[in-house]
Amino acid sequence: KAGVTQTPRYLIKTRGQQVTLSCSPISGHRSVSWYQQTPGQGLQFLFEYFSETQRNKGNFPGRFSGRQFSNSRSEMNVSTLELGDSALYLCASSSGGYTDTQYFGPGTRLTVL
Amino acid sequence: DAKTTQPPSMDCAEGRAANLPCNHSTISGNEYVYWYRQIHSQGPQYIIHGLKNNETNEMASLIITEDRKSSTLILPHATLRDTAVYYCIVRPANNAGGTSYGKLTFGQGTILTVHP
Repeated sequence: KAGVTQTPRYLIKTRGQQVTLSCSPISGHRSVSWYQQTPGQGLQFLFEYFSETQRNKGNFPGRFSGRQFSNSRSEMNVSTLELGDSALYLCASSSGGYTDTQYFGPGTRLTVL
Repeated sequence: DAKTTQPPSMDCAEGRAANLPCNHSTISGNEYVYWYRQIHSQGPQYIIHGLKNNETNEMASLIITEDRKSSTLILPHATLRDTAVYYCIVRPANNAGGTSYGKLTFGQGTILTVHP
């Protein structure tokens, strides 16, 4: 099976812009979770989607949003970018079942100038 | 989710077993122990998980103490490619409630350096 794919792999934006990142889960997986990784805060959970519904949300401002499509592909959007949003954004997919092991993609490296 | 404590760094000689400890003294009955590793700037890689029995797969073995308050990840024959940050994570099964869906709480992990 193909793994989790994320596009684009690298992105450079300027403050105030918005950005959309994409994640394609492993075939058959219905849950997609998003994480932000920075040197200062480490890996932090953003939100999780299952069957197009957000089931869980981390402690991030409303500028961070996401959605999931009927084919389980997911996008996350960050509006009004700030310098502090520079990070590696990771998505993980899982079955969404009782003990769902999450498998991570390679990440999107976002740089905000 | 239960908090975990790991040593910040460890060294291991290539070819030897690497034993990475994790303390999770506040673990509750429905919480699983997961191990992931992250090689520099790549996505975390799932290694193994368990509830109370010892587990083994092609990558590693997981030894959980009888009281479940600590565990050890064992890489039987470490190679240079095993140099990474190793994360021990405790989380409940999904039916434990809304706060558990999809969420892995990562600590600082253990930086394992394998030397030639």
